[in-house]
Amino acid sequence: DAGVIQSPRHEVTEMGQEVTLRCKPISGHDYLFWYRQTMMRGLELLIYFNNNVPIDDSGMPEDRFSAKMPNASFSTLKIQPSEPRDSAVYFCASSPRDRVINQPQHFGDGTRLSIL
Amino acid sequence: AQKVTQAQTEISVVEKEDVTLDCVYETRDTTYYLFWYKQPPSGELVFLIRRNSFDEQNEISGRYSWNFQKSTSSFNFTITASQVVDSAVYFCALSEKVGTGRRALTFGSGTRLQVQP
Repeated sequence: DAGVIQSPRHEVTEMGQEVTLRCKPISGHDYLFWYRQTMMRGLELLIYFNNNVPIDDSGMPEDRFSAKMPNASFSTLKIQPSEPRDSAVYFCASSPRDRVINQPQHFGDGTRLSIL
Repeated sequence: AQKVTQAQTEISVVEKEDVTLDCVYETRDTTYYLFWYKQPPSGELVFLIRRNSFDEQNEISGRYSWNFQKSTSSFNFTITASQVVDSAVYFCALSEKVGTGRRALTFGSGTRLQVQP
C-alpha cells in the first residue's frame, strides 16, 4: 500500500512568496495531521482534520498559515507570505477511522522548506 | 512543565552495546497512549510502538523492548546489541484527550542515538 505522499520534497523560495505544501493521506484514513519540525521547537502539531473537517488548528502559528482538505485524498498547507522563520520540515500524517487517540500515525517523508 | 521529557539529548554507544532511551510523561488523563517513533538520517518518521495506559506489560520486538511504568510515568525504550543502522533520532510521544472530541499528540524533544562501528 502507498504511504502518505507529500510534495514537494524540497522547496526553496524567497521571503514574501506564497508556498503550498501538498499531502495525500493513506486511502481509508479519516484523520490527517500537519506537523512542523524545527531544531528550536521540535515537532509541533499545526492542525488536524477528521473527515475533511478541521478539528483543531490551535497549533497554526499565524494567519499567514492556512490548511485545507477539499476531499479525503488531498490536503494543502499554505503559507502566504512566507518568512525565513517558516523554514522547517513539514510533515503530513494520517490515521485510520478509529478513535485517533489510540492509533499510530503514519507519516509522510516530509517537505523541507527553506525561505531565503 | 513539559508533557513529554526525553532528558537524553544525545547518546553515543559502540556497536553491540545495549542502550536505553528514557521517556517521562505528564498527563491528567486516565486513558492515554504512548508512542515511540524513529527518525533516521533520511528524515522520515517511522512508527515503532503504541502502548495504552491500561496495559503495563512490557513488550519485546526483536532487539527492541519497552518498559512502561505508570508509577513513575515512564516509558523507556531499550535496544539490545545495538547496530549502526539503529543510529537515528528517537521520539517519545503522548496522546491524550484535551476536550470533547479533541486530542493532542505531544512529542518529546527526541534523543539522538549514534551507534559507532
